[in-house]
Amino acid sequence: DTGVSQNPRHKITKRGQNVTFRCDPISEHNRLYWYRQTLGQGPEFLTYFQNEAQLEKSRLLSDRFSAERPKGSFSTLEIQRTEQGDSAMYLCASSLVPRDTEAFFGQGTRLTVV
Amino acid sequence: RKEVEQDPGPFNVPEGATVAFNCTYSNSASQSFFWYRQDCRKEPKLLMSVYSSGNEDGRFTAQLNRASQYISLLIRDSKLSDSATYLCVGTRNTGFQKLVFGTGTRLLVSP
Repeated sequence: DTGVSQNPRHKITKRGQNVTFRCDPISEHNRLYWYRQTLGQGPEFLTYFQNEAQLEKSRLLSDRFSAERPKGSFSTLEIQRTEQGDSAMYLCASSLVPRDTEAFFGQGTRLTVV
Repeated sequence: RKEVEQDPGPFNVPEGATVAFNCTYSNSASQSFFWYRQDCRKEPKLLMSVYSSGNEDGRFTAQLNRASQYISLLIRDSKLSDSATYLCVGTRNTGFQKLVFGTGTRLLVSP
């Protein structure tokens, strides 16, 4: 499978715990996005990378959230001291710019904070 | 005002019907446009890009009206399998394009 891969698919954690998600983009894609989606809403932008550089972070991304893409390939999103409001689907997408503008999404990581 | 706005629906239509969705956008999300489809509890998947001249792909037609700042998606001869949420997407007018999603319009096609 050469699409965007996210792990884990599901994560249940207790409030206050730290969680880390991984995203492996399509191999030649230089841009990688993280989005968050809650029920009944469209995906909300969190952050994105051009190669290994993190170019923009949303105001939604509090200091408990951090993302990395150390070698310009896979990326990780960490949430520290999780809160119930963090429960959502976390989606990763990748694209190849400037050739393509459309982005391809992974299947997401569904986080439930109890 | 949200950068990309859609009517959340749901739109309930019978099989074979023609249905149209509109989406309005602000100046900050007006560089490129797309329609994505999202099935329940699945990831969004690109349905089609939206070009200034309008474009058609089988039963689907997308149009862009820059003067009125809206895009539309027309689905002809609806199938049961068209039931999904349709996400309108614009891109930010910054140095680096960023996808901005609407909340989605839910379509339910019934027999």
